Amino acid sequence: EAGVTQFPSHSVIEKGQTVTLRCDPISGHDNLYWYRRVMGKEIKFLLHFVKESKQDESGMPNNRFLAERTGGTYSTLKVQPAELEDSGVYFCASSPDRVLTFFGQGTRLTVV
Amino acid sequence: GENVEQHPSTLSVQEGDSAVIKCTYSDSASNYFPWYKQELGKRPQLIIDIRSNVGEKKDQRIAVTLNKTAKHFSLHITETQPEDSAVYFCAASNILSNTGKLIFGQGTTLQVKP
Repeated sequence: EAGVTQFPSHSVIEKGQTVTLRCDPISGHDNLYWYRRVMGKEIKFLLHFVKESKQDESGMPNNRFLAERTGGTYSTLKVQPAELEDSGVYFCASSPDRVLTFFGQGTRLTVV
Repeated sequence: GENVEQHPSTLSVQEGDSAVIKCTYSDSASNYFPWYKQELGKRPQLIIDIRSNVGEKKDQRIAVTLNKTAKHFSLHITETQPEDSAVYFCAASNILSNTGKLIFGQGTTLQVKP
Protein backbone atom coordinates (compact mmCIF):
# COMPACT_ATOMS: atom_id res chain seq x y z
CA GLU A 1 0.00 0.00 0.00
CA ALA A 2 1.12 3.59 -0.52
CA GLY A 3 2.70 5.30 2.45
CA VAL A 4 2.15 8.78 3.85
CA THR A 5 3.01 11.30 1.15
CA GLN A 6 4.03 14.91 1.69
CA PHE A 7 4.42 17.79 -0.74
CA PRO A 8 6.66 19.60 -1.35
CA SER A 9 9.79 17.84 -0.15
CA HIS A 10 11.61 21.16 0.15
CA SER A 11 10.46 24.77 0.30
CA VAL A 12 12.53 27.93 0.59
CA ILE A 13 10.56 31.11 1.22
CA GLU A 14 11.25 34.61 2.40
CA LYS A 15 10.23 35.87 5.79
CA GLY A 16 6.68 37.20 5.62
CA GLN A 17 5.58 34.93 2.80
CA THR A 18 3.01 32.18 3.01
CA VAL A 19 3.66 28.48 2.57
CA THR A 20 1.22 25.58 2.44
CA LEU A 21 2.33 22.04 3.13
CA ARG A 22 0.24 19.07 2.07
CA CYS A 23 -0.07 15.59 3.49
CA ASP A 24 -1.81 12.56 2.03
CA PRO A 25 -2.22 9.91 4.74
CA ILE A 26 -2.46 6.20 4.21
CA SER A 27 -5.92 5.43 2.87
CA GLY A 28 -8.35 4.51 5.62
CA HIS A 29 -6.34 6.05 8.46
CA ASP A 30 -8.67 8.31 10.45
CA ASN A 31 -5.85 9.70 12.59
CA LEU A 32 -3.54 12.28 11.04
CA TYR A 33 -0.75 14.05 12.91
CA TRP A 34 1.59 16.92 12.19
CA TYR A 35 5.01 17.05 13.86
CA ARG A 36 8.00 19.35 13.45
CA ARG A 37 11.73 18.95 13.98
CA VAL A 38 13.61 22.22 14.41
CA MET A 39 17.41 22.51 14.12
CA GLY A 40 18.32 18.95 15.07
CA LYS A 41 16.18 18.97 18.19
CA GLU A 42 13.47 16.51 19.09
CA ILE A 43 10.48 15.88 16.87
CA LYS A 44 7.61 17.85 18.42
CA PHE A 45 3.90 17.26 18.17
CA LEU A 46 1.85 20.01 16.53
CA LEU A 47 -1.68 18.65 16.18
CA HIS A 48 -3.92 15.65 15.68
CA PHE A 49 -6.95 15.16 13.44
CA VAL A 50 -9.52 12.44 13.74
CA LYS A 51 -11.14 12.41 10.34
CA GLU A 52 -11.85 16.09 9.70
CA SER A 53 -11.97 17.17 13.35
CA LYS A 54 -9.09 18.64 15.31
CA GLN A 55 -8.66 16.34 18.31
CA ASP A 56 -5.66 18.07 19.86
CA GLU A 57 -3.94 21.21 18.66
CA SER A 58 -1.99 21.91 21.83
CA GLY A 59 1.35 21.82 20.02
CA MET A 60 0.60 24.54 17.47
CA PRO A 61 3.14 27.30 18.14
CA ASN A 62 0.90 30.31 17.43
CA ASN A 63 -1.91 31.60 15.26
CA ARG A 64 0.32 31.92 12.22
CA PHE A 65 -0.15 28.18 11.75
CA LEU A 66 -3.42 26.86 10.35
CA ALA A 67 -4.14 23.19 9.70
CA GLU A 68 -7.10 21.79 7.84
CA ARG A 69 -8.34 18.39 6.85
CA THR A 70 -11.41 19.00 4.76
CA GLY A 71 -13.38 15.84 4.04
CA GLY A 72 -11.18 13.81 6.36
CA THR A 73 -8.68 12.84 3.66
CA TYR A 74 -5.61 14.92 2.91
CA SER A 75 -4.45 17.71 5.21
CA THR A 76 -2.77 21.06 4.71
CA LEU A 77 -0.65 23.09 7.08
CA LYS A 78 -0.37 26.77 6.23
CA VAL A 79 2.17 29.13 7.75
CA GLN A 80 1.26 32.79 7.27
CA PRO A 81 3.31 34.92 7.58
CA ALA A 82 6.40 32.75 7.90
CA GLU A 83 9.13 33.73 10.37
CA LEU A 84 12.76 32.60 10.51
CA GLU A 85 12.11 30.34 13.51
CA ASP A 86 9.57 28.36 11.51
CA SER A 87 12.39 26.70 9.59
CA GLY A 88 12.59 22.97 10.16
CA VAL A 89 11.33 19.65 8.90
CA TYR A 90 7.58 19.17 9.07
CA PHE A 91 6.43 15.59 9.32
CA CYS A 92 2.97 14.27 8.73
CA ALA A 93 1.97 10.90 10.14
CA SER A 94 -1.12 8.75 10.05
CA SER A 95 -2.45 5.93 12.18
CA PRO A 96 -5.40 3.54 12.04
CA ASP A 97 -5.59 3.22 15.81
CA ARG A 98 -3.53 5.94 17.55
CA VAL A 99 -0.86 3.31 18.25
CA LEU A 100 1.01 2.31 15.11
CA THR A 101 2.08 5.57 13.52
CA PHE A 102 3.47 5.85 9.99
CA PHE A 103 5.46 8.90 8.97
CA GLY A 104 5.85 10.75 5.72
CA GLN A 105 9.27 11.73 4.42
CA GLY A 106 8.85 15.28 5.67
CA THR A 107 8.90 18.75 4.15
CA ARG A 108 12.06 20.72 4.80
CA LEU A 109 11.03 24.37 5.19
CA THR A 110 13.66 27.07 5.08
CA VAL A 111 12.64 30.66 5.83
CA VAL A 112 15.23 33.22 4.77
CA GLY B 1 5.19 18.96 31.08
CA GLU B 2 5.72 15.70 29.26
CA ASN B 3 9.22 15.11 28.03
CA VAL B 4 11.58 12.33 26.99
CA GLU B 5 15.32 12.53 27.51
CA GLN B 6 17.52 10.48 25.17
CA HIS B 7 21.23 9.66 25.47
CA PRO B 8 23.72 9.68 23.95
CA SER B 9 23.21 12.26 21.21
CA THR B 10 25.91 10.59 19.09
CA LEU B 11 27.30 7.08 19.20
CA SER B 12 30.10 5.57 17.15
CA VAL B 13 30.80 1.84 17.22
CA GLN B 14 32.83 -0.67 15.25
CA GLU B 15 30.96 -3.08 13.02
CA GLY B 16 30.03 -6.13 15.04
CA ASP B 17 29.92 -4.30 18.37
CA SER B 18 26.72 -3.61 20.32
CA ALA B 19 25.01 -0.24 20.63
CA VAL B 20 22.77 0.90 23.46
CA ILE B 21 20.57 3.99 23.47
CA LYS B 22 18.75 5.05 26.63
CA CYS B 23 15.61 7.10 27.20
CA THR B 24 13.81 8.39 30.27
CA TYR B 25 10.23 9.63 30.25
CA SER B 26 8.39 11.90 32.66
CA ASP B 27 4.69 11.12 32.19
CA SER B 28 3.70 8.14 34.32
CA ALA B 29 0.62 7.67 32.12
CA SER B 30 2.82 6.67 29.19
CA ASN B 31 2.16 3.07 28.17
CA TYR B 32 3.55 2.72 24.66
CA PHE B 33 7.20 3.17 23.67
CA PRO B 34 8.17 2.97 19.97
CA TRP B 35 11.62 3.38 18.46
CA TYR B 36 12.08 4.97 15.05
CA LYS B 37 15.05 4.80 12.71
CA GLN B 38 15.61 7.62 10.25
CA GLU B 39 18.17 7.11 7.53
CA LEU B 40 19.53 10.16 5.76
CA GLY B 41 16.86 11.80 3.62
CA LYS B 42 14.25 9.18 4.43
CA ARG B 43 11.17 8.99 6.62
CA PRO B 44 11.30 7.84 10.26
CA GLN B 45 10.44 4.14 10.31
CA LEU B 46 9.21 2.12 13.25
CA ILE B 47 11.72 -0.59 14.09
CA ILE B 48 10.43 -1.93 17.38
CA ASP B 49 7.95 -0.99 20.08
CA ILE B 50 7.02 -2.10 23.58
CA ARG B 51 3.95 -1.67 25.74
CA SER B 52 3.98 -1.04 29.44
CA ASN B 53 2.81 -4.53 30.37
CA VAL B 54 5.99 -6.04 28.91
CA GLY B 55 9.54 -5.74 30.23
CA GLU B 56 11.50 -6.79 27.17
CA LYS B 57 10.95 -7.43 23.50
CA LYS B 58 13.32 -8.81 20.86
CA ASP B 59 13.33 -8.84 17.09
CA GLN B 60 16.43 -10.43 15.62
CA ARG B 61 19.36 -8.10 16.37
CA ILE B 62 17.33 -5.42 18.14
CA ALA B 63 15.76 -5.49 21.57
CA VAL B 64 14.03 -3.02 23.81
CA THR B 65 13.81 -3.11 27.60
CA LEU B 66 11.43 -1.16 29.81
CA ASN B 67 11.70 -0.32 33.49
CA LYS B 68 8.38 1.26 34.46
CA THR B 69 9.47 2.00 38.01
CA ALA B 70 12.43 4.02 36.85
CA LYS B 71 10.54 5.35 33.79
CA HIS B 72 13.41 4.19 31.67
CA PHE B 73 13.62 2.27 28.39
CA SER B 74 16.52 1.29 26.19
CA LEU B 75 17.27 0.09 22.66
CA HIS B 76 19.92 -2.57 22.20
CA ILE B 77 21.40 -3.39 18.79
CA THR B 78 23.74 -6.36 18.65
CA GLU B 79 26.22 -7.29 15.90
CA THR B 80 25.94 -3.83 14.38
CA GLN B 81 26.32 -3.42 10.63
CA PRO B 82 27.08 -0.32 8.54
CA GLU B 83 23.45 -0.21 7.40
CA ASP B 84 22.43 0.37 11.03
CA SER B 85 23.93 3.85 10.73
CA ALA B 86 21.06 6.33 11.12
CA VAL B 87 19.35 8.64 13.59
CA TYR B 88 17.33 6.75 16.19
CA PHE B 89 14.43 8.33 18.06
CA CYS B 90 12.71 6.99 21.13
CA ALA B 91 9.17 8.10 21.91
CA ALA B 92 6.48 7.67 24.53
CA SER B 93 2.73 7.97 24.35
CA ASN B 94 -0.46 7.19 26.23
CA ILE B 95 -2.52 5.09 23.83
CA LEU B 96 -5.51 5.30 26.17
CA SER B 97 -5.67 9.06 25.77
CA ASN B 98 -7.86 10.70 23.15
CA THR B 99 -4.87 11.55 20.99
CA GLY B 100 -2.00 9.07 21.29
CA LYS B 101 0.48 11.81 20.41
CA LEU B 102 4.12 10.79 20.51
CA ILE B 103 6.60 12.59 22.76
CA PHE B 104 10.03 12.15 21.22
CA GLY B 105 13.54 12.13 22.56
CA GLN B 106 16.18 14.32 20.95
CA GLY B 107 17.55 11.56 18.72
CA THR B 108 20.81 9.59 18.63
CA THR B 109 23.05 9.60 15.59
CA LEU B 110 24.56 6.14 15.35
CA GLN B 111 27.61 5.60 13.18
CA VAL B 112 28.78 2.05 12.56
CA LYS B 113 32.33 1.95 11.23
CA PRO B 114 33.21 -0.90 8.87
